[in-house]
Amino acid sequence: GAGVSQSPSNKVTEKGKDVELRCDPISGHTALYWYRQSLGQGLEFLIYFQGNSAPDKSGLPSDRFSAERTGGSVSTLTIQRTQQEDSAVYLCASSATNEQFFGPGTRLTVL
Amino acid sequence: AQSVTQPDIHITVSEGASLELRCNYSYGATPYLFWYVQSPGQGLQLLLKYFSGDTLVQGIKGFEAEFKRSQSSFNLRKPSVHWSDAAEYFCAVGKQAGTALIFGKGTTLSVSS
Repeated sequence: GAGVSQSPSNKVTEKGKDVELRCDPISGHTALYWYRQSLGQGLEFLIYFQGNSAPDKSGLPSDRFSAERTGGSVSTLTIQRTQQEDSAVYLCASSATNEQFFGPGTRLTVL
Repeated sequence: AQSVTQPDIHITVSEGASLELRCNYSYGATPYLFWYVQSPGQGLQLLLKYFSGDTLVQGIKGFEAEFKRSQSSFNLRKPSVHWSDAAEYFCAVGKQAGTALIFGKGTTLSVSS
């Protein structure tokens, strides 16, 4: 079956612009996670959605970052007023039980 | 707070030789432990996981890992490395099933011929 998909695969933007990154989880998976992978920081948790519960936003680095999940499926991560330090690969994962399946990521470059 | 340490940033192993990648975690209770592999330009693939029970767990691609509570370790092993195993390996810990994972910084494995 289809895995987790993310779009776009690559995004280049200018400092100060807003960006939206999309994640399509595996059908039927109730949990969805966003992580960020950068050279200096490794893999960092950003935000976690589980069903209809309030999301765990404890990993978001600043109020410029937000995410929503519509209809319990697709999720969008929004970064406002991008900064150069936001350059990273943004990974999405989904799970039904205790195994997280990761998407290929979106490589964000902020010039 | 939970944390994961992978002491080796980069390891080079000859093809056919054995491999052990180290992982130490910090967590008060029995954690959920995972090893993932990431090939260049690819997403993360789960190699194996430990939740409870037998402390030696088998995974895909011939990998295994052993949970040692006394050492707070979950080292990954493979008896004979293949060139296709060259990749970056991440150890991760979760507080419970379905929660966000805390990842180590990763170990890059190079395989020499």
